[in-house]
Amino acid sequence: QLQLQESGPGLVKPSETLSLTCTVSGGSISSRGYYWGWIRQSPGKGLEYIGSIYNSGNTYYNPSLKSRVTISVDTFKNQFSLNLNSVTAADTAVYYCARHYPKDFWSTVRFDPWGQGTLVIVSS
Amino acid sequence: NFMLTQPHSVAESPGKTVTISCARSSGSIASNYVQWYQQRPGSSPTTVIYEDNQRPSGVPDRFSGSIDSSSNSASLTISGLKTEDEADYYCQSYDSSNQGVFGGGTKLTVL
Repeated sequence: QLQLQESGPGLVKPSETLSLTCTVSGGSISSRGYYWGWIRQSPGKGLEYIGSIYNSGNTYYNPSLKSRVTISVDTFKNQFSLNLNSVTAADTAVYYCARHYPKDFWSTVRFDPWGQGTLVIVSS
Repeated sequence: NFMLTQPHSVAESPGKTVTISCARSSGSIASNYVQWYQQRPGSSPTTVIYEDNQRPSGVPDRFSGSIDSSSNSASLTISGLKTEDEADYYCQSYDSSNQGVFGGGTKLTVL
């Protein structure tokens, strides 16, 4: 059964870079037809798509975050990572990683399964 | 890009049926499939409906999905409500570049 687990600092200072890693187990991140994505949920708010990456390194980024986001993949470690720079309090959220079904290979775009999520607080 | 608008909250009694709507702001609701996720308190989202009306294995048939082109919206219907259905529900579709678009979420209270 595929599982995803986020890891990284729970506290980041304003203007610094938020860095998280998602470790995939029970399956290969190199599997054909799947992207690997990041989604966040601000306290008491809804879900916001951040971006996704394929095992080749091809990426999609939410235009509203694109200037600050970098997603990378390490196929040897079966991990992918999120870097979000110049963070502010507005970036405080629970960050989820998820397997992303892209329209290129599937009939729809969806996210399944999701990791348990990790809370990142931006504060000095 | 388009937006998906959901009611902030709905409430219903156990055993009853509830419907949660998801209205698309521009473009046809039928142009891209809609998914529905359930998020129980303290947990991550799980899929209850994909491709407008398909249930993943393990999701009870009390959950059903549909779209309505006349109102340009999707709906999630839960029948025979149980207290365990109390959760936040999110609709999700996508744009032309494979990016996910989420609704704001609906809090379902089972009274």
